[in-house]
Amino acid sequence: KNQVEQSPQSLIILEGKNCTLQCNYTVSPFSNLRWYKQDTGRGPVSLTIMTFSENTKSNGRYTATLDADTKQSSLHITASQLSDSASYICVVRKAAGNKLTFGGGTRVLVKP
Amino acid sequence: NAGVTQTPKFQVLKTGQSMTLQCAQDMNHNSMYWYRQDPGMGLRLIYYSASEGTTDKGEVPNGYNVSRLNKREFSLRLESAAPSQTSVYFCASEGTAFNYGYTFGSGTRLTVV
Repeated sequence: KNQVEQSPQSLIILEGKNCTLQCNYTVSPFSNLRWYKQDTGRGPVSLTIMTFSENTKSNGRYTATLDADTKQSSLHITASQLSDSASYICVVRKAAGNKLTFGGGTRVLVKP
Repeated sequence: NAGVTQTPKFQVLKTGQSMTLQCAQDMNHNSMYWYRQDPGMGLRLIYYSASEGTTDKGEVPNGYNVSRLNKREFSLRLESAAPSQTSVYFCASEGTAFNYGYTFGSGTRLTVV
C-alpha cells in the first residue's frame, strides 16, 4: 500500500533554533516529492519539489533533502521564526497518473 | 489575486440536509480536485476532474457528487449530510506544467450535527 509517514507529529522549538522534519514513503513508482506549509485556517502552500535525481532543494530558510534509495525525505528549518508556526505536509506523487499521497503532517510551534 | 476561491468558509448543517460547496480558479488550469482533511490524517481525495467535462472518483467518494460546470468551476455536493462528513474541505487546481503543483483554496470548515 502506498503510504507517507511523517515524524514527529508535533514539535515545539524556540525562535531562532533549527529543526528537522522527517518523511518516509513507500509510494512506487516514484515521480516527485513536495513539502507544503499549511498555516492554521489556510490551504497548503508548496515549499519545494524534488524529483528522483535531486537530493537537495532550498527555499529561503527551508531546505529539503531526498534519498530516493531509502525513500526518505527531510525538511530542515533554519533560524526559525514565529511565522514558521504551521503544519508541514509531505506529499509524494506516483509516476504515471494523478495519484498523490499526503502525509499526516508535522505541526510546528515556534515560541519566542 | 489569482488563485482558488472557495465558498462558503464555514457551514453548519443538520443531518440529512444538502448543500453545495463552490470552487472557482482563475489560472486556466485543466485539473481540479476536492479533498477532505480530518485531524491527524492526510488530505484524502474525494473527486477530481482532469479536464472540463470529465470527473472521476477519488479515495473517499461515497456521499458526495461533483460537477465540473466549466473550466473555472468545480462544485462538490452533499445530498444528505452525515456527521461523518464533518471535516475541512479543500479545493485545488493544477496546471499542465510539471512543476506547478497544486494551488489550494483556503478551505471550507463543515460541521454536521
